[in-house]
Amino acid sequence: GNSVTQMEGPVTLSEEAFLTINCTYTATGYPSLFWYVQYPGEGLQLLLKATKADDKGSNKGFEATYRKETTSFHLEKGSVQVSDSAVYFCALKEAGTALIFGKGTTLSVSS
Amino acid sequence: DVKVTQSSRYLVKRTGEKVFLECVQDMDHENMFWYRQDPGLGLRLIYFSYDVKMKEKGDIPEGYSVSREKKERFSLILESASTNQTSMYLCASSLGDSGLETQYFGPGTRLLVL
Repeated sequence: GNSVTQMEGPVTLSEEAFLTINCTYTATGYPSLFWYVQYPGEGLQLLLKATKADDKGSNKGFEATYRKETTSFHLEKGSVQVSDSAVYFCALKEAGTALIFGKGTTLSVSS
Repeated sequence: DVKVTQSSRYLVKRTGEKVFLECVQDMDHENMFWYRQDPGLGLRLIYFSYDVKMKEKGDIPEGYSVSREKKERFSLILESASTNQTSMYLCASSLGDSGLETQYFGPGTRLLVL
């Protein structure tokens, strides 16, 4: 079946550091891929998405590229801020199936 | 903007009580979902609904039921709350069911069962 694996956290960085959160997936078809973010005390919100191979999703300085050859969708940001501290979830979706989430990666950024 | 609201942010209930969690979306979305979120386990799908009065079991439906009498409202019911149902409950909605659809989430209800 379909699944998502993302790196375990927590990830602890200093402000302005480079961020990578790894995400790999297993899918039988051609899924869309998503990154959701959950700020403290809130629900999840969509950060970015990509719907086909080689697409790059981007938002708020974050980027992720849909790599079919490596079945990956790694999240990157060149310079993190304290306000980026949150839990990040990678997810995949195929038509007619449920959205499948990874277990989440906690990011903590200190000034 | 899509808005998904949940009736309570925090709830404290006793073991054996019947608990209702309400979710309302304001964008005429077809699909609605209930998840629970637990540390180390991520989000797990409890139930979802693709239409009024329709419901489908997710990965962990045991101990839960749902109701969707109106398109905008999706209720999660704990028939007899137990301590292992202490969790964060998240409601979501989406317009359709293609691989392109974004799910929009409510703020969550943190339920404590004593």
